[in-house]
Amino acid sequence: GAGVSQSPRYKVAKRGQDVALRCDPISGHVSLFWYQQALGQGPEFLTYFQNEAQLDKSGLPSDRFFAERPEGSVSTLKIQRTQQEDSAVYLCASSLEWGEVYTFGSGTRLTVV
Amino acid sequence: GIQVEQSPPDLILQEGANSTLRCNFSDSVNNLQWFHQNPWGQLINLFYIPSGTKQNGRLSATTVATERYSLLYISSSQTTDSGVYFCAVSTDTGFQKLVFGTGTRLLVSP
Repeated sequence: GAGVSQSPRYKVAKRGQDVALRCDPISGHVSLFWYQQALGQGPEFLTYFQNEAQLDKSGLPSDRFFAERPEGSVSTLKIQRTQQEDSAVYLCASSLEWGEVYTFGSGTRLTVV
Repeated sequence: GIQVEQSPPDLILQEGANSTLRCNFSDSVNNLQWFHQNPWGQLINLFYIPSGTKQNGRLSATTVATERYSLLYISSSQTTDSGVYFCAVSTDTGFQKLVFGTGTRLLVSP
């Protein structure tokens, strides 16, 4: 597609519920990144994929967070047993190669109640 | 890890005014990008500028890598320029995880 597409745009989850957030990167983009943006803050790195390989997951805040990109295109970020502190905007970005310009999606705003 | 500080934190301008936003970073970088986050939350890439000077319409940016800072210039500001401006850098030589600065919140009033 023309841009990075994320869904859903908004998600309200009850505490303890599992959620799955989807990212559809620009076709042909090798690199895919997930970021978390808390209210009033800059985005913070969560994880990085090069094609289907998850090369860095050092930013994932806990083992409740899991990301995959099984065929090297669409990626899913899963959060198990959501907590209130997980409330944030989750942003996906892709780039043609590493070191290149990032294109961000519109994000998924997750609210845990 | 690398520290990225942006100034000023907040800026209010009258439409038509010019402004300069600054980004200071604490280590040598291989990647530096400026982003505009609009009021709807969309992050738009403005410049990929690890060094040198670039211009795009009313916007221009300069990075002085040896002195560890970058400047974003906005001329003849418009209300649509409102939002938050982020500088993001990477020190990595392999895949480049961007570290975002603290942001500058800009409000342009008519």
